[in-house]
Amino acid sequence: GENVEQHPSTLSVQEGDSAVIKCTYSDSASNYFPWYKQELGKRPQLIIDIRSNVGEKKDQRIAVTLNKTAKHFSLHITETQPEDSAVYFCAGGSPGNQFYFGTGTSLTVIP
Amino acid sequence: EAQVTQNPRYLITVTGKKLTVTCSQNMNHEYMSWYRQDPGLGLRQIYYSMNVEVTDKGDVPEGYKVSRKEKRNFPLILESPSPNQTSLYFCASSLSPRYEQYFGPGTRLTVT
Repeated sequence: GENVEQHPSTLSVQEGDSAVIKCTYSDSASNYFPWYKQELGKRPQLIIDIRSNVGEKKDQRIAVTLNKTAKHFSLHITETQPEDSAVYFCAGGSPGNQFYFGTGTSLTVIP
Repeated sequence: EAQVTQNPRYLITVTGKKLTVTCSQNMNHEYMSWYRQDPGLGLRQIYYSMNVEVTDKGDVPEGYKVSRKEKRNFPLILESPSPNQTSLYFCASSLSPRYEQYFGPGTRLTVT
């Protein structure tokens, strides 16, 4: 099945700096790559997703890039703010119906 | 209000005592999943269901059962819980695996 790896596991940035989280996947047939944000004590919530027919997608300060050849995708957060502090999960859907999450990145934005 | 609900939110039980965690969604979603979340391991899929009476194993199905008799409900059953099933459990629903998944509030289970 699919294997989604996520790095780094922890990330600290100064407020206003950018943060980048990277994920790789193993199944070249995978075609949907969402990113979820989980604040402390809360449920995961989708922040952005990308499909395999698109190389980049932006939503205000958040962007996701996809490199199908290398089988990796990345989350970019610009102008980070303290409220961006959370755990971020990448995920990938296999060509079947099973769903795989990465192990998470704990982002801390230092004011 | 569109939502996924889970009950109970917290549960402490003893080894071997059967329990059920309920999950319900009001969005008419076909795809429903159960995940467990453990530190350093992320979210791992336990079981998923594509529709009524259609269920399949995820990555970590051992020790769990599910059923999908109605579209809105997807209960998780632990017939003989063990301490290694102590975890935070999330139910989620979506139109399909390739659309946004909406998560329930989570159930924190402790098995002693």
